[in-house]
Order: sequence, then structure tokens, then C-alpha cells
Amino acid sequence: DSGVTQTPKHLITATGQRVTLRCSPRSGDLSVYWYQQSLDQGLQFLIQYYNGEERAKGNILERFSAQQFPDLHSELNLSSLELGDSALYFCASSPRDSGPTEAFFGQGTRLTVV
Amino acid sequence: DAKTTQPNSMESNEEEPVHLPCNHSTISGTDYIHWYRQLPSQGPEYVIHGLTSNVNNRMASLAIAEDRKSSTLILHRATLRDAAVYYCILRESGANSKLTFGKGITLSVRP
Repeated sequence: DSGVTQTPKHLITATGQRVTLRCSPRSGDLSVYWYQQSLDQGLQFLIQYYNGEERAKGNILERFSAQQFPDLHSELNLSSLELGDSALYFCASSPRDSGPTEAFFGQGTRLTVV
Repeated sequence: DAKTTQPNSMESNEEEPVHLPCNHSTISGTDYIHWYRQLPSQGPEYVIHGLTSNVNNRMASLAIAEDRKSSTLILHRATLRDAAVYYCILRESGANSKLTFGKGITLSVRP
């Protein structure tokens, strides 16, 4: 158990809908990362937050947004869903935002868009 | 981001040592070398990281070339549970650095 909790574990929704994925980081970790993993794309970095502020952005679509709240949990919002958004979404947390720090990953949310 | 190059796959026998290579010829002086692995149907898991010196922990050893242009992850005795995708990642030491995964190397372990 990494200490990072992601909910829900599975989500099935229709195209055009909006969903929210939630991540609770390890106790004390200030940095949260979001990744998307699909079969053909591998692990794609989406976005990183540190203590409530956006720190780095990757290949995140404009239909996707995220935020980190004062209690340090984070949410990833996916809207106008398309079939191609079906993937595993991972959240990770770490004590710091760079360099020599481990990132601890949750078990992921499997999103299926039908 | 500096890039890493890893073989696509490698096979090993159970209880034998495994050496997983990684090339990172464009590494900068402040980049840390991280290794993560991902077991089937699980999230990635931290394995080890280093900067210049070789590193050991309970999971593995990391051997870093003197010029830092390559590194090798060493699993001293492979078990079936070590079958996974292993990712070699460079991460800048400064703020706002990303943790970017490549394709990784798929390790198969034969009983």
C-alpha cells in the first residue's frame, strides 16, 4: 500500500459526459501528479501541483482540468468525454516537487467511455 | 527533458542476477537518475535513484557510469514477482521538474 488513495477505482460513463477523479496523497506529501495510461500511449504526464499551486504541465487536453485543495487532496476533471479518453488514470504524491524525491503512486482509476 | 534509451525487453531466469541498462547521453549535471517499475495491473512503484555514486537499497542496486551517460539497475536475485516494466527516468533537481516516463523495458522472469 503506497498510502495514495484514488477514487473511484472503476468508472464507466458515456461520451460527452463529465467525470471527476479524486486523489488523496500520502500524509504530509505536498506534491501531486496526474498521469494517463492507455495501451498505445504508455504513461503520459498530465499535470503536477505543489501545495495548491500548479507546477508543471504535460500533455493535458483543454477538456481536462485539475486542482489541489487546501487539504492537499486533488481532483482531475474530465469533460466532453470521448472514446479515446478511456484509460487508467494514476495519481502520485511526493514530499517535494523535484529532484531526489520518491513519488508514490495510487492504484489508479480505470475510466471506460462508452 | 533529457531522454533515456532502454531496450524494449529482457528475459531472466529466476534467482539469477539481472542487469537492466539505460543510456542517457544528454544528461545534465543536475539530473537525478530514477528507476520505477510497474507490475501488471498496478501503479508504478519507486525502485531507486541516484546522482553520481552507486546506490543500494533493499530492492536493487544502481550502478552509474563515471561520465553519467549510462546507468544499470541490478536486481541481485530475480524472482517471479520482479516481472514488470522498468522505467529509467531523468529528473531535474530544480523546482517544476517533471517526472516523465518513457516506454521502459519489459522484464520477463523464467521459473
